[in-house]
Amino acid sequence: EPEVTQTPSHQVTQMGQEVILRCVPISNHLYFYWYRQILGQKVEFLVSFYNNEISEKSEIFDDQFSVERPDGSNFTLKIRSTKLEDSAMYFCASSEELARPKNIQYFGAGTRLSVL
Amino acid sequence: GEDVEQSLFLSVREGDSSVINCTYTDSSSTYLYWYKQEPGAGLQLLTYIFSNMDMKQDQRLTVLLNKKDKHLSLRIADTQTGDSAIYFCAETVSGGYNKLIFGAGTRLAVHP
Repeated sequence: EPEVTQTPSHQVTQMGQEVILRCVPISNHLYFYWYRQILGQKVEFLVSFYNNEISEKSEIFDDQFSVERPDGSNFTLKIRSTKLEDSAMYFCASSEELARPKNIQYFGAGTRLSVL
Repeated sequence: GEDVEQSLFLSVREGDSSVINCTYTDSSSTYLYWYKQEPGAGLQLLTYIFSNMDMKQDQRLTVLLNKKDKHLSLRIADTQTGDSAIYFCAETVSGGYNKLIFGAGTRLAVHP
């Protein structure tokens, strides 16, 4: 069964460093998403991406964050200068379309980011 | 604004039924979902229901939707120890790009 894959599973970084979290969405999917889950809190929407541009973003997704689809398979989330409060589990998701029934979002296993 | 609320914890005996409840605020919700998260793992889609449905059954899972009260429930029949996990209710709203709004998750503990 096709799945969303995320690498690495765990990333440890120093405060102020740049990190890139990588995702390979399901191959025929066109819509891509990033969410994060701070330990013990809700899963929160960060950004959606379609046709090589951001379609919607949350207040969390400030100038420190960026997303990119550098090639036909990868979808990346970059945090330019990490802060302690960026420590969280980051989930990538993808869906085939916007219209039902093909708009179901499938999630990767997540990348746990630890900022020291 | 959009918000999804769930009770945080449920404990059941193996073999019993579990019922996990969720309330949402956005009346324009088009889809409501249940995701399962096992320790250290990602979000596994369990089931979903369109907002124009009242009920959906899928093997041991039954989803009930009360649109008037904006209440969603997930019933797991014959609960097993492997069902122990956190269960997230989520909604999407009409328009936009289908961002998901999640509840805080209900931790289901199944004991012998």
